[in-house]
Parts: sequence; C-alpha cells; structure tokens
Amino acid sequence: QVQLVQSGAEVKKPGASVKVSCKASGFTFSWHHIHWVRQAPGQGLEWMGIINPSGDITSYAQKFQGRLTLTRDTSTSTAFMELSRLRRDDTAVYYCSRDLNYGGADYWGQGTLVTVSS
Amino acid sequence: QSALTQPASVSGSPGQSITISCTGTSSDVGAYNYVSWYQQHPTKAPKLMIYDVGNRPSGVSNRFSGSKSGNTASLTISGLQAEDEADYYCKSYTVSNRYVFGTGTKVTVL
Repeated sequence: QVQLVQSGAEVKKPGASVKVSCKASGFTFSWHHIHWVRQAPGQGLEWMGIINPSGDITSYAQKFQGRLTLTRDTSTSTAFMELSRLRRDDTAVYYCSRDLNYGGADYWGQGTLVTVSS
Repeated sequence: QSALTQPASVSGSPGQSITISCTGTSSDVGAYNYVSWYQQHPTKAPKLMIYDVGNRPSGVSNRFSGSKSGNTASLTISGLQAEDEADYYCKSYTVSNRYVFGTGTKVTVL
C-alpha cells in the first residue's frame, strides 16, 4: 500500500536549520511530484513548495524563497525539506504529500512537528 | 500570493446539504481547472476529497461533489453525516506555477 513516512519531531533554536525526511513506499516514487505543506498550531494549511519527479525542478511559495530547499533521493525513495534561519513562527506540523495531478495530493505523510524555541 | 477566501464556518443538520465556497482570482481558481478539496479531522493529516474541480478519488463518498464558476469553486456535501464534521480546505494551482490553499472552513453538524 502507498505510504509516506516522515521523520520524527524536532526542537530547534531560532536561527538554526531543520531537515525533515519523507520516505515513500508502495508506488513508483520517480513518477510523482511531492508537495510540502505546513500547519501552525490552530491555523490553516500553508503550501510551501513542490519538487518534480526527477528532483531538478522546484517551485517555492514566495514567502519561503531563500530559506527553503526541497530535494529528493530516488535511490532511497525519500524526499527532503530543509528550512533555514528558523524563527519562532516556523513552529508547525510539516507534511509531505504525493501529487496526483496538478495539486490533488492523494497520499500524505503523518506529519512532523517542528518546534522552534530558545 | 494571498490565500483563497472561504467562509470560516458552515453548519447543517444531519441529512441536509451544505456548500462551501472558495473564492480566488483569475490568476488561480479562474485560470485552471486544478482546484482540489481536503477534509481534515483534528490532529489528523488532510484527506483528498475532490481534485480537478469535480473529480472524486476512489473511496470518497459520492455525497461529496465539486464545481467551479469563474473565480469561485464550491464543495457540496449532501446527506450531511456526523462524520463529516471537520475542517475543509480548497487548494488551487496558480499562473506562477505555485499552489495556494484556502483559509479553511469548519463544518459543524448540528
């Protein structure tokens, strides 16, 4: 069955970086774009970015330009989200999801809580 | 890119139909037929309910339907059930090759 399994919770200090992984199984990883979405406590969903199947094309939401890096490793069927220069308001649950077709994300990871605190 | 506009809350009695609107611009909702809808229960990951404006993934009840007119997309839930109580979000592809979510709507079953 299709699964996206994310890495565990992280606690980071302001100014640090965090890298979250998303390991895929049950489907052909190299056929699908991967989205990253976050949700701050009590807030709505926020689209962060997307990486294409071969990993050479990314698109980021404007507010994350320069701080967000999406990569993927086809050999291990794993996608990665790295966010740098963390601020307290980056505290959120971060999700990866598989793109079905131009935005329809049909499978999601379980979410990774990133807490930014001094 | 501003979030798409959804009503903060919508409510209905069991068996009734409700509709959630998602208003964007000619640069997102109005530009393509790439609007999707997600259901999210507390502490759970979102679940895809509708993609490409009006298509249902396998396994999603046919009580859920989607449509679009101009810059506004809509999700209709017919035969409302207690399990439909959740938050709902729309999402659209945009002309800048990015995506944007709606502000979210809390559905309450009275």
